[in-house]
Amino acid sequence: ELKVEQNPLFLSMQEGKNYTIYCNYSTTSDRLYWYRQDPGKSLESLFVLLSNGAVKQEGRLMASLDTKARLSTLHITAAVHDLSATYFCAVENTGNQFYFGTGTSLTVIP
Amino acid sequence: KAGVTQTPRYLIKTRGQQVTLSCSPISGHRSVSWYQQTPGQGLQFLFEYFSETQRNKGNFPGRFSGRQFSNSRSEMNVSTLELGDSALYLCASRPGDRYYGYTFGSGTRLTVV
Repeated sequence: ELKVEQNPLFLSMQEGKNYTIYCNYSTTSDRLYWYRQDPGKSLESLFVLLSNGAVKQEGRLMASLDTKARLSTLHITAAVHDLSATYFCAVENTGNQFYFGTGTSLTVIP
Repeated sequence: KAGVTQTPRYLIKTRGQQVTLSCSPISGHRSVSWYQQTPGQGLQFLFEYFSETQRNKGNFPGRFSGRQFSNSRSEMNVSTLELGDSALYLCASRPGDRYYGYTFGSGTRLTVV
């Protein structure tokens, strides 16, 4: 079974700082997704990464995928309070099934 | 355009009862998946439907079942409810092409007492 590990699980960072969330997975896949979840809310799609070397950026967030290393990163630049949420990566297998990481709970402190 | 709609938003049921959750995907989306989210187990895949066919099923007991109708709307059913079935159930849809990610609904919060 495909395993997805995210770290860190909890991240507290000051506004204006940079940080990276890591997503490792156990089986070959070239389809990786990042989602954001606010408390009590559903999952919001952030990035769709479909090939080795893919890099996507939206505002202060940038995601990348290295399929050979089985690693994706979500980089946060100059964090602001609005980015406080839980971030999930998900890896898709050939059977259209998403395997989610445990999530990273991000708190941005003013 | 309308997103993925799940009904009801909240449910409270008693152990042993059964429950049916409904999901209306985004118009034109033919693939619908269901996920269970709990604090202990995180997000776990239940099943995926495409054109009324279940293509994949997660590691859940047979008490969990689902179906998809010709208009792509989907339902999931849980029979003989257990306390451990309390969770947020999320439905997601996508066009059917694997080059798209899933769009998730707001979920149904099921509490079993």
